[in-house]
Amino acid sequence: DAMVIQNPRYQVTQFGKPVTLSCSQTLNHNVMYWYQQKSSQAPKLLFHYYDKDFNNEADTPDNFQSRRPNTSFCFLDIRSPGLGDAAMYLCATGGLSTDTQYFGPGTRLTVL
Amino acid sequence: SQELEQSPQSLIVQEGKNLTINCTSSKTLYGLYWYKQKYGEGLIFLMMLQKGGEEKSHEKITAKLDEKKQQSSLHITASQPSHAGIYLCGASGSARQLTFGSGTQLTVLP
Repeated sequence: DAMVIQNPRYQVTQFGKPVTLSCSQTLNHNVMYWYQQKSSQAPKLLFHYYDKDFNNEADTPDNFQSRRPNTSFCFLDIRSPGLGDAAMYLCATGGLSTDTQYFGPGTRLTVL
Repeated sequence: SQELEQSPQSLIVQEGKNLTINCTSSKTLYGLYWYKQKYGEGLIFLMMLQKGGEEKSHEKITAKLDEKKQQSSLHITASQPSHAGIYLCGASGSARQLTFGSGTQLTVLP
């Protein structure tokens, strides 16, 4: 029944060691979003894909990259994680065909 | 850029009491979303409002968007411990991407 799946739920990495977070969806939505949520803060949009078109927010650091190989999957790559990148990373799907954005359960990233 | 301000930041109520959370936008709202988040989990969609004056209800939760489309309120009637969590309002952009308010932490005491 899960519609937006994120793996892993918890990720621990070392300072500077690249990490990839995964998101998949069964809704066939054309838009996928990645949000970063730091402790006690609201989610903040990093980027989104409209089909294969990548849209980066102006203040998203270059350290964050994304890939969307097909409609169902989207990946968040953090090339050199810093301590400040420790956060919950939320994936969501939606788009113009739906009024609702569906969120996954999130991946909590810890940077040691 | 659009900014959303939520009030109050936190709310503690006794079970059975009614409560209201407000969300005020710096710009006209073209789509206003309400989500609920439990600690350490993803966001659960509650309601979406688009038209000025629109009001939607689901179980004991009612959301309204004012006529000028710059403020929304979320009202919970006869609160229960299951209503506890963080309530977030979000404004929709051109690709339906969301800009969120800072959230309201709701605690319901049994």
